[in-house]
Amino acid sequence: EVQLVESGGGLIKPGGSLRLSCAVSGFTFSNAWMTWVRQAPGKGLEWVGRIKSRTEGGTTDYAAPVKGRFTISRDDSQNTLYLQMNSLKTEDTAVYYCTATLDYGVYKYWGQGTLVTVSS
Amino acid sequence: SSELTQDPAVSVALGQTVRITCQGDSLRSYYASWYQQKPGQAPLLVLYGKNIRPSGIPDRFSGSGSGNTASLAITGAQAEDEADYYCNSRDSSGIHLEVFGGGTKLTVL
Repeated sequence: EVQLVESGGGLIKPGGSLRLSCAVSGFTFSNAWMTWVRQAPGKGLEWVGRIKSRTEGGTTDYAAPVKGRFTISRDDSQNTLYLQMNSLKTEDTAVYYCTATLDYGVYKYWGQGTLVTVSS
Repeated sequence: SSELTQDPAVSVALGQTVRITCQGDSLRSYYASWYQQKPGQAPLLVLYGKNIRPSGIPDRFSGSGSGNTASLAITGAQAEDEADYYCNSRDSSGIHLEVFGGGTKLTVL
């Protein structure tokens, strides 16, 4: 059974930092592209960024609103995906989902999401 | 433009056919993928590529595309199909970037 379990969300003040984790099981994590998607309360889905597998260069791409502030990384030995979020803004408040990605835009498996609230 | 545009809301009578559309420049070059999201749940991939349904997705879901428009059709809509639907594709402003449409709320009457 495929499982993606996000953790690390919570309440953080503007300007603060937070690291989200996504623990994966049930498929070969090291071969997978992984993507973070977020959803602000009552709003639509927003692509945050993606990391390719190490064999495909392990390269990352980010949406414009988070580029330079967020960093996606992976630990294939621990089957874990990370999202380091710095200089957080109130508009970063959202549920953050990690997804296992078949191809550009094709997110086959999703976690249950973790809520990040940025507020003073 | 990097946007994908969807109608905010669509309704369909039970058992009828409904088409949900997604418009954007990138769709002239890339396929759309489609996600269903019910309240309180994570999104679910229902269609991708050239009309590919993941395992477990009913065959009443189908996709098509023409020009800058991708469409998700539900033939014989069921009550359980009531949900938000999102399209996704590459971002035409950066081919390694991706973008979601704003979502369509489907109501089954």
